[in-house]
Formats: sequence, C-alpha cells, structure tokens
Amino acid sequence: NAGVTQTPKFQVLKTGQSMTLQCAQDMNHEYMSWYRQDPGMGLRLIHYSVGAGITDQGEVPNGYNVSRSTTEDFPLRLLSAAPSQTSVYFCASRGLWNNEQFFGPGTRLTVL
Amino acid sequence: GDSVTQMEGPVTLSEEAFLTINCTYTATGYPSLFWYVQYPGEGLQLLLKATKADDKGSNKGFEATYRKETTSFHLEKGSVQVSDSAVYFCALSDNGQFYFGTGTSLTVIP
Repeated sequence: NAGVTQTPKFQVLKTGQSMTLQCAQDMNHEYMSWYRQDPGMGLRLIHYSVGAGITDQGEVPNGYNVSRSTTEDFPLRLLSAAPSQTSVYFCASRGLWNNEQFFGPGTRLTVL
Repeated sequence: GDSVTQMEGPVTLSEEAFLTINCTYTATGYPSLFWYVQYPGEGLQLLLKATKADDKGSNKGFEATYRKETTSFHLEKGSVQVSDSAVYFCALSDNGQFYFGTGTSLTVIP
C-alpha cells in the first residue's frame, strides 16, 4: 500500500513551457485534490475531484488544468509555466465520507 | 468564510521544554479540526484531530482540545524532543472543504 505518490520530486521549467505533475493513490479514495504551498501562505487549494469524471476549481485555479479519468490518478497540468507558479505542489486524497486527508511527498517546481 | 489563524513562527525551544502553538478558527458550520505535521522534505502527515466540541485529540505526546467557546484548537506538548522539529499546520474541515493555517516552524535544540 503505497498511499499517495507524486512524480517528479523536483522540476525546473522555463517560462512558457508546459508540464504535467503526476499523482496516484491506491486507497480507492473518491476525493483527490491539489494544493500549492508557498512561504507564509500555508496550503491553497488549486483543483479537486470527487470522483472519476468530476473536477472543480479551488481557491487558485488559474494556469492549471486537471482531469480525472480513473479513481487512482489525478494529474495536474501547467499549460504555460510562469515564475509565479514556482512552489511546492501537494496532492492529497481521502474517502468521500471521511475527513482524514492523506498527502503525497510533494513536487518542488521552479519556473525560471 | 471559513479560515484558520495560527501562531506565527519560527519557534525555537530547548529539548524538554513545554510547547504551545496557538490556533483559532472561523467557521460557518460545525467543523472538524486537525493538526498536521510536515517534516523536512516530506508531505503533511495527520498528527491529531477532533471532530466535536470538547473533544481532545492526542498522539505522540501532543494534545489539542476543541474549544467551541473560544474557537480554538491549541497544540501542546509537555516535553519536546529534537525529533519534533518540523512545521505544524492547523486545519479545519467544513462541508467537505479543508482550510489550512500558514504553518508554524518548530526547531528543538539539544
């Protein structure tokens, strides 16, 4: 049981490049979400999903896309990276009726 | 809207000192309250939680009591260790949404 896994752990992009951050969970959780962590700002919700085929925006969705084709996977896409997207990104999952979230180890992204 | 306010850091303590990290919240409903811990280079891990007023969550010597009258959920530990050095996040869950505080960095020195 690996829990929540994220790849890559580190990434450096140039402004304007695109990339996908991968997230997978093996706990059969319906609810998955993406957060970004910035100094002094805690965690802010980017997008979330309550099940396959269903996604919704969080607090800071601009510049990011998500899709949920399976229960296990919830990739986050940066369409055209900007320096303001330099951050640490965390994926999390939980059961739909359980309020305990499980977090992945994070992806540290730098946009030059 | 819902929000969490927690004590600014960083906090530096000597080993075996008493720890308090303050957390207060604003919520429209009846939230569950959490403390998460983040060790260097890792994701957040649930430390403890409380789901209703007057509940006390506890784990690894840490405790926090859900105080509805003061809308608080302060984290305490009687005797900290070097291994407790980490960032601590207070959070609430209300209607399925999570709200996190800004985090408090704790360093424990031998």
